[in-house]
Amino acid sequence: AQSVTQLGSHVSVSEGALVLLRCNYSSSVPPYLFWYVQYPNQGLQLLLKYTTGATLVKGINGFEAEFKKSETSFHLTKPSAHMSDAAEYFCAVSDRGTGNQFYFGTGTSLTVIP
Amino acid sequence: GAGVSQSPSNKVTEKGKDVELRCDPISGHTALYWYRQSLGQGLEFLIYFQGNSAPDKSGLPSDRFSAERTGGSVSTLTIQRTQQEDSAVYLCASSLEREGEQYFGPGTRLTVT
Repeated sequence: AQSVTQLGSHVSVSEGALVLLRCNYSSSVPPYLFWYVQYPNQGLQLLLKYTTGATLVKGINGFEAEFKKSETSFHLTKPSAHMSDAAEYFCAVSDRGTGNQFYFGTGTSLTVIP
Repeated sequence: GAGVSQSPSNKVTEKGKDVELRCDPISGHTALYWYRQSLGQGLEFLIYFQGNSAPDKSGLPSDRFSAERTGGSVSTLTIQRTQQEDSAVYLCASSLEREGEQYFGPGTRLTVT
């Protein structure tokens, strides 16, 4: 089974600073990769996903993530944090060919300091 | 268009009672997932429905948990004889294809007293 590791359960950045949220997966076969965001008292919303093709994926709200096979990573970045980015972020993977399960990381809570 | 809806949004129940949580997926989505999110935890997979195939129940934590999906659309998650450790937010998601992105409902917050 897959495992997904998100380093840092809590990340704080200053408004305007770079956001970097880390995600590593365990599979030797590149899976499908996703980042979801959960705002307070809301459901999860897809930020971006990687299935095939270009390894740098751009998502909503200025976020992007790069799939690095050699590092089994899919870190999420945003050049300049905004107050509205404060939320919980979840990395998820889905095994190619099965699709039965999504494996979620434990989440990273992002705080943006004014 | 309409997203995934869940009801009730909040449920408080006494220990030992049974509860039913409902999920209405996006119309046409063949895949439906249930997850549990406990305070400070990630999402715990519970069960997965894909079309008319037998559901993947591998994530259900005990035989007190069951789920069904009627007519390939609405799903109900039932928890029998609730325990305090069942308190969590229960999330439902649907997707159009097997490896497609999942669309999540707002969740049902279950509190067992």
